[in-house]
Amino acid sequence: AQTVTQSQPEMSVQEAETVTLSCTYDTSESDYYLFWYKQPPSRQMILVIRQEAYKQQNATENRFSVNFQKAAKSFSLKISDSQLGDAAMYFCAYTPYNNNDMRFGAGTRLTVKP
Amino acid sequence: DGGITQSPKYLFRKEGQNVTLSCEQNLNHDAMYWYRQDPGQGLRLIYYSQIVNDFQKGDIAEGYSVSREKKESFPLTVTSAQKNPTAFYLCASSTGLMSSGNTIYFGEGSWLTVV
Repeated sequence: AQTVTQSQPEMSVQEAETVTLSCTYDTSESDYYLFWYKQPPSRQMILVIRQEAYKQQNATENRFSVNFQKAAKSFSLKISDSQLGDAAMYFCAYTPYNNNDMRFGAGTRLTVKP
Repeated sequence: DGGITQSPKYLFRKEGQNVTLSCEQNLNHDAMYWYRQDPGQGLRLIYYSQIVNDFQKGDIAEGYSVSREKKESFPLTVTSAQKNPTAFYLCASSTGLMSSGNTIYFGEGSWLTVV
């Protein structure tokens, strides 16, 4: 079974600084998708960034970028120039090509200090 | 505006009662999903539906039931057989299956508390 592990229950960053959230996953599949979702206090899940496993190039969305290491099964999220609005729970998620069950990690709570 | 609407936002249930959580989407998405979120945990899939009149069990379907009579609607019933239903429930939809790489969109969620 596929599992997703986020080893940092909480992280803190100073405003305007950079922070990296860790995620590892376990799978025997070769083709899959990885995601980072943000869940603010409103509880609504918001897609931050998506990575296709077959692409070697790391995905980037404005201040958000990932470091995808397929061999190590690692998928970390880097947030640059952190803003107060980035404070939220961040979930790493995985879905294989042949399955409709998206697996989520337990989440990392990010605090941004002014 | 297009989106996913879940109702009610807060619901209290007495032990032994069935309750139904509503999920409606106007995104014209084919696939819809129900997830459960417990404190300190990620989301766990309860049921998903690829098309109208079709749905599949996820990891934790026991004690839950769904229907998909219309494309835009995917209600979730929490039955009395669900022994620990207190949780946050998220409905989601996508243009196709997640296995095809489609992005999943979430509603704002519903809090269910057993009293």
